[in-house]
Amino acid sequence: GAVVSQHPSRVICKSGTSVKIECRSLDFQATTMFWYRQFPKQSLMLMATSNEGSKATYEQGVEKDKFLINHASLTLSTLTVTSAHPEDSSFYICSASRGGNLPYGYTFGSGTRLTVV
Amino acid sequence: EDKVVQSPLSLVVHEGDTVTLNCSYEVTNFRSLLWYKQEKKAPTFLFMLTSSGIEKKSGRLSSILDKKELFSILNITATQTGDSAVYLCAGSSNTGKLIFGQGTTLQVKP
Repeated sequence: GAVVSQHPSRVICKSGTSVKIECRSLDFQATTMFWYRQFPKQSLMLMATSNEGSKATYEQGVEKDKFLINHASLTLSTLTVTSAHPEDSSFYICSASRGGNLPYGYTFGSGTRLTVV
Repeated sequence: EDKVVQSPLSLVVHEGDTVTLNCSYEVTNFRSLLWYKQEKKAPTFLFMLTSSGIEKKSGRLSSILDKKELFSILNITATQTGDSAVYLCAGSSNTGKLIFGQGTTLQVKP
């Protein structure tokens, strides 16, 4: 149990376009989802925390108008990178929490590698 | 500001060696310290530590937490090439947020 599906796994887009990444909890309801970004040879940096039905909470330095997060249901959160630029190229990973105790209530998706050309 | 610092940043050993990875943390409203192994994609969970001095063990891997010194170590004995990966530690707060360290890249040579 506790599977999180993230799509797409890889995307290449042109500079100036927008890209949507989906994160789905397949067999549980995720009260909270977290979005991370990981640059090459660096660690995971938390971008934002989203709770179903409310606005996401963004970490300092993360532009909320650029990285739009929607958590419309207990099984789906989406991250849209708007007007993407080459510097947005990164590995984006979501994780979903069932609200229970860590770590079993906290599952990562498989990640999305975004390349902006 | 919350932070988690790992050392060393990279390590190259030979099969059969024992390695110790370090993690220090400063996390507001700290709840637990977690260790993950990351190969190509998303991190996979190894350990969660909440109490000081209690060693957690899984096969050749073990980990312990010192809440007084805000420090944890991950030990891997009799290393194998399959242990080559990035090892991440993360501190969790009572909000569920994970603050990750930079990671230690371990390469085990045959």
